[in-house]
Amino acid sequence: NAGVTQTPKFQVLKTGQSMTLQCAQDMNHEYMSWYRQDPGMGLRLIHYSVGAGITDQGEVPNGYNVSRSTTEDFPLRLLSAAPSQTSVYFCASSDYGTANTGELFFGEGSRLTVL
Amino acid sequence: RKEVEQDPGPFNVPEGATVAFNCTYSNSASQSFFWYRQDCRKEPKLLMSVYSSGNEDGRFTAQLNRASQYISLLIRDSKLSDSATYLCVVNRGSTLGRLYFGRGTQLTVWP
Repeated sequence: NAGVTQTPKFQVLKTGQSMTLQCAQDMNHEYMSWYRQDPGMGLRLIHYSVGAGITDQGEVPNGYNVSRSTTEDFPLRLLSAAPSQTSVYFCASSDYGTANTGELFFGEGSRLTVL
Repeated sequence: RKEVEQDPGPFNVPEGATVAFNCTYSNSASQSFFWYRQDCRKEPKLLMSVYSSGNEDGRFTAQLNRASQYISLLIRDSKLSDSATYLCVVNRGSTLGRLYFGRGTQLTVWP
């Protein structure tokens, strides 16, 4: 029962470094998304994808890139890390039937600290 | 103005108590509404959807008031295991899967 798997779970970066957060799901879900969660704020959408080859920006896309070459994988790339990107990142997926009924399946999160 | 507003709490209640959370949403075109639960340092999980006529799931009751643009969650007979953060979530319906999350309301149930 893997569901949505995120790696790494913890990461410390220095300002200016780049890295990729990995997200994989084994439920054949069309919809995948990345959120960030900061203290005192709700989850905010970074990027999302409605299928392989299709991505779009969410609420806070600056500083992040995504691609969707397969149904299963949706990596999030930090191009040049900044302290403002210190956050907990959640990947979520859903199929078309449940995406509009509000049930997203979340990974366990990736805790990123940028020094 | 934020899309979804919630009182962050914390709410500290004894076992067996009834507790209610409210949230308000800003976009009158919002189409569907949900409550998620998030345990400490864990991922959010769907608790229940909120229907216009109100709905129950065991000890949990959700209500929607479209005229006032607020959503509520009532928990009866609180259990220690109900301790968590409850996230109010809204879907405008304009973009597939595009959910707007409130900051969450923290609940602690004590013995």
